Amino acid sequence: GNSVTQMEGPVTLSEEAFLTINCTYTATGYPSLFWYVQYPGEGLQLLLKATKADDKGSNKGFEATYRKETTSFHLEKGSVQVSDSAVYFCALTGAGGTSYGKLTFGQGTILTVHP
Amino acid sequence: GAGVSQSPSNKVTEKGKDVELRCDPISGHTALYWYRQSLGQGLEFLIYFQGNSAPDKSGLPSDRFSAERTGGSVSTLTIQRTQQEDSAVYLCASSPGQGAYEQYFGPGTRLTVT
Repeated sequence: GNSVTQMEGPVTLSEEAFLTINCTYTATGYPSLFWYVQYPGEGLQLLLKATKADDKGSNKGFEATYRKETTSFHLEKGSVQVSDSAVYFCALTGAGGTSYGKLTFGQGTILTVHP
Repeated sequence: GAGVSQSPSNKVTEKGKDVELRCDPISGHTALYWYRQSLGQGLEFLIYFQGNSAPDKSGLPSDRFSAERTGGSVSTLTIQRTQQEDSAVYLCASSPGQGAYEQYFGPGTRLTVT
């Protein structure tokens, strides 16, 4: 079945530092890939997505590129802010069949950014 | 516009009791999903509804769990004879269709089984 593996956290950074959160996946065919974010006290919300190989999703200064050859979708940001402190989830939906539409999530990575 | 709403926001119940959790999706969204977020298992898919199609129940952990969606809108997740391992945050999401659409999540219902 489908699976998503994220780098273990928590991750603690100083403001303006570079962020990478690694994500790799296992799936058949060409899944769609997502990063969701959960800010403290808030619900899950979509941060960015990519639906085919070599697509780059971007939002709020965050980027992730769909790499089919390495089955990866690493999240990056060049300069983090305190307000980026949250839990980040990598996820995928299957390309079709029984996994189409439903999200499979990674375990989540807690990011804390200090001033 | 209004987002996905869930009720109650918190529920404490005794082991063995039945509970019902409600989800109001975004108006016009044809797909509705239930997920569970727990410390031990992370975020896991439970069930989803797409239009008038039969629901995909493949993620339900046992036959104590069931869900229905009335009139293509409101959904209720029912857990019978609750167990302590059912304690988790139950999340509902809706989307305009099936597939790679963004899923919009509600705030969740925190269920505690004592």
